[in-house]
Amino acid sequence: KAGVTQTPRYLIKTRGQQVTLSCSPISGHRSVSWYQQTPGQGLQFLFEYFSETQRNKGNFPGRFSGRQFSNSRSEMNVSTLELGDSALYLCASRHGVGATYNEQFFGPGTRLTVL
Amino acid sequence: GENVEQHPSTLSVQEGDSAVIKCTYSDSASNYFPWYKQELGKRPQLIIDIRSNVGEKKDQRIAVTLNKTAKHFSLHITETQPEDSAVYFCAVNSGTYKYIFGTGTRLKVLA
Repeated sequence: KAGVTQTPRYLIKTRGQQVTLSCSPISGHRSVSWYQQTPGQGLQFLFEYFSETQRNKGNFPGRFSGRQFSNSRSEMNVSTLELGDSALYLCASRHGVGATYNEQFFGPGTRLTVL
Repeated sequence: GENVEQHPSTLSVQEGDSAVIKCTYSDSASNYFPWYKQELGKRPQLIIDIRSNVGEKKDQRIAVTLNKTAKHFSLHITETQPEDSAVYFCAVNSGTYKYIFGTGTRLKVLA
């Protein structure tokens, strides 16, 4: 089975711009979660989608949003970028149902740099 | 709110020695406890996990123990090798569709 993929892998933007990141989960997985990873804050949960519905959201401002499509692919969007948004954005997929429903697998991440 | 504390933040061991990393959580409803290994520049990889109905799980040189009463769980790596050098993260899933991660432990295995 192919693993979780994310595009693009690297992105450079300037303050005030917006960005959209994409995540394709493992085939058959219906849950996609997004995380922000920074050296100082570790892995911070952004939100989780299951069957196109957002089920949970972390403590991030409304500039961070996401969605999930019927094929389980997910996108996250950050509007009005700030310098502090520079981070590695990881998505993770899991089956969401069945015996291994909560085993979570990560994509390679998108490294976002805001100048 | 939910919280996960992970200790130590850095750990250096001699090759062949054991390493132990401990995490403490606050949400008593937590029911799933995975450990991830992240090598430099790579994605976190699931290395072992344990569910709340089990006290210990082993997979070759790694093991995880869970103490639900005390709300802590630990990762044990025996016979450490240089390739074990990485950052290790614990996480907790309380069934609320999100995972809370510990702050990570940088393990250095000295040859």
